[in-house]
Amino acid sequence: QVQLQESGPGLVKPSETLSLTCTVSGGSIRNYYWNWIRQPPGKGLEWIGYIYYSGSTNYDPSLNSRVTISVDTSKNLFSLKLTSVTAADTAMYYCARAPDYYDILTGQQQYHFDYWGRGALVTVSS
Amino acid sequence: SSELTQDPAVSVALGQTVRITCQGDSLRSYYASWYQQKPGHAPVLVIYAKNNRPSGIPDRFSGSNSGNTASLTITGAQAEDEADYYCNSRDSSGNHLVFGGGTKLTVL
Repeated sequence: QVQLQESGPGLVKPSETLSLTCTVSGGSIRNYYWNWIRQPPGKGLEWIGYIYYSGSTNYDPSLNSRVTISVDTSKNLFSLKLTSVTAADTAMYYCARAPDYYDILTGQQQYHFDYWGRGALVTVSS
Repeated sequence: SSELTQDPAVSVALGQTVRITCQGDSLRSYYASWYQQKPGHAPVLVIYAKNNRPSGIPDRFSGSNSGNTASLTITGAQAEDEADYYCNSRDSSGNHLVFGGGTKLTVL
C-alpha cells in the first residue's frame, strides 16, 4: 500500500524559508505527479504545485515566485521550499500523488490526487 | 477567490439524495475530481475522471458533468457522509490546478 509521510519543522519564523519533505513508501515515485497542497486553519484546500518524477514543475501562479518543489528519485522523496513566509502561510501542508493520466475521450491530461499524506502543521511565528 | 465555485453548505435528510455542484469555465474541457474531508483528517478521493470511484468508495457516490458544472451525487446519504467536500480541476487558463472553496454537507 502506497504511503506518503510529510516531515519538517513545525515552526518557522517570518521572512524565513519553510522546508518540508514527503517520503513515499510502498510504491515507485516514477510515472507520477507529486503535489503539495495546503489548508490554512478553518479554511479550504489550496494547491501549491507539483513535480513530475522527471523533474518538470508546475506552480500556483500566486506562489510561483516563492516556491520550489524538487524530487529525489533515488530516495523516493520530494520536497517543498517556500521562501519569505508570513503568517498567511500558516497551514496544514499535505503531499499527494497524482497519476499520469491521459484521457482519450477529452484528449487532455487529467489530474486527481489518489494518495495523500496525513499532513504537517506549519506555523509561521516569531 | 477560487475559479471553481461551490455552495458553502448543503444539508440532506438521512437516506435521501443530495447533489453537490462545482462550477467553472474549465469544466467544459477538464474533469473534476472530488474529495471528502472529515475533521482532523486528510482529504480522501471519492470521484475522479467524471464518474470513477476508487476502490473502497461506496457506490452511492457518483459524479457527472454538464457544461461548466460538475456534480457529486450521494444517493441514500448516510450519517458518515457528513463532511466537507472539495472539487478540483484546472484553472481557467488550463495551465494550473485549483480547488473549489468546499461544501460542508450536513446529514439531518
